[in-house]
Amino acid sequence: GENVEQHPSTLSVQEGDSAVIKCTYSDSASNYFPWYKQELGKRPQLIIDIRSNVGEKKDQRIAVTLNKTAKHFSLHITEKQPEDSAVYFCAARNQAGTALIFGKGTTLSVSS
Amino acid sequence: SAVISQKPSRDICQRGTSLTIQCQVDSQVTMMFWYRQQPGQSLTLIATANQGSEATYESGFVIDKFPISRPNLTFSTLTVSNMSPEDSSIYLCSVGDRANYGYTFGSGTRLTVV
Repeated sequence: GENVEQHPSTLSVQEGDSAVIKCTYSDSASNYFPWYKQELGKRPQLIIDIRSNVGEKKDQRIAVTLNKTAKHFSLHITEKQPEDSAVYFCAARNQAGTALIFGKGTTLSVSS
Repeated sequence: SAVISQKPSRDICQRGTSLTIQCQVDSQVTMMFWYRQQPGQSLTLIATANQGSEATYESGFVIDKFPISRPNLTFSTLTVSNMSPEDSSIYLCSVGDRANYGYTFGSGTRLTVV
């Protein structure tokens, strides 16, 4: 089945800096790659997603890139702010084309 | 996107007992899933809840331990059976729409087994 690897597991940045989180997936048939933000004690919230027919997508301070050949995708967050501190999860839709399989998460800390 | 009501939000249970978690959606959805999130960990897929048929379980999860029902397109239940302290976790319901790729999560059930 699908396997998603995510790096780094923790990331500390200064306010205003940029951050990149990288994920790789195993199933070349996967076609949907969302990113979720989870604050402590809350449910995961979708922040951006990308489909396999697109190489890059931007939404204000965040962007996601996809390299289908290499089977990896990345989340880029610019101008980090303290409220960006949370756990970020990448995911890929599984072989059956239904459920999401998640990476292990990246704990992002932004200091002012 | 769909609004999910999940309950209970938390519970403390005795080992050996069972707990049923409910997931109600405000609109009909094609796909419903159950995940487990252990403290400080990622989300692990337990099973896909299939409307009108048996759920599809992921490796490591079995129907006898986690029976799932999905009687219609807006409701599902997950039962955690014969609980042990290792079952202490957050259990999350998720719904998806194959057409628009949107996946949302319920607020979760925080289960503690003592």
